Amino acid sequence: GAVVSQHPSRVICKSGTSVKIECRSLDFQATTMFWYRQFPKQSLMLMATSNEGSKATYEQGVEKDKFLINHASLTLSTLTVTSAHPEDSSFYICSATTSDRGRETQYFGPGTRLLVL
Amino acid sequence: GQNIDQPTEMTATEGAIVQINCTYQTSGFNGLFWYQQHAGEAPTFLSYNVLDGLEEKGRFSSFLSRSKGYSYLLLKELQMKDSASYLCAVRTPSASKIIFGSGTRLSIRP
Repeated sequence: GAVVSQHPSRVICKSGTSVKIECRSLDFQATTMFWYRQFPKQSLMLMATSNEGSKATYEQGVEKDKFLINHASLTLSTLTVTSAHPEDSSFYICSATTSDRGRETQYFGPGTRLLVL
Repeated sequence: GQNIDQPTEMTATEGAIVQINCTYQTSGFNGLFWYQQHAGEAPTFLSYNVLDGLEEKGRFSSFLSRSKGYSYLLLKELQMKDSASYLCAVRTPSASKIIFGSGTRLSIRP
């Protein structure tokens, strides 16, 4: 299947700092990427839809000024957690859609574990 | 609103068969996914159903009934490595968003 990478895989930061997470589609172009957050023992919660060349669409309850999304190219989307606080500690996962044998399928990156101290 | 329900936990025996059910009520439907997620890892794609019926892929099969808002994932010849969470997810027409259920934690015992 298609490959999606994320960087970094883990990050520990101090409260108040900003953290940038990159999501790349390695062998395909993705006009749309999605960002999810997952707390321990919970399912994935969609945060926002990242569209190449336009503003991201945020889900209800997600602060767009706190979670900045930039989809600068067809293979790269970035999520910046601004002024991170301990409650932002979570597993952040991106995904990208592509057609696989005529079916649109969503492939996930390996995730980024964020710990805010 | 969007509602996707699946059992929280299930236990099964190695070598046996287990069926994980999923019911959904969403504003629009463009297909249903099943993903497997091991602890600490990202989900991996298992299956995608957009038409009614059963799709078989090796030890895993997935069934969909759109009229009933119902799907199940069937795992045969269970192996210890199948211990994981299984996520049911529905794609909505709105920007092709995928909404996830809460996941079913499956434990396999010897």
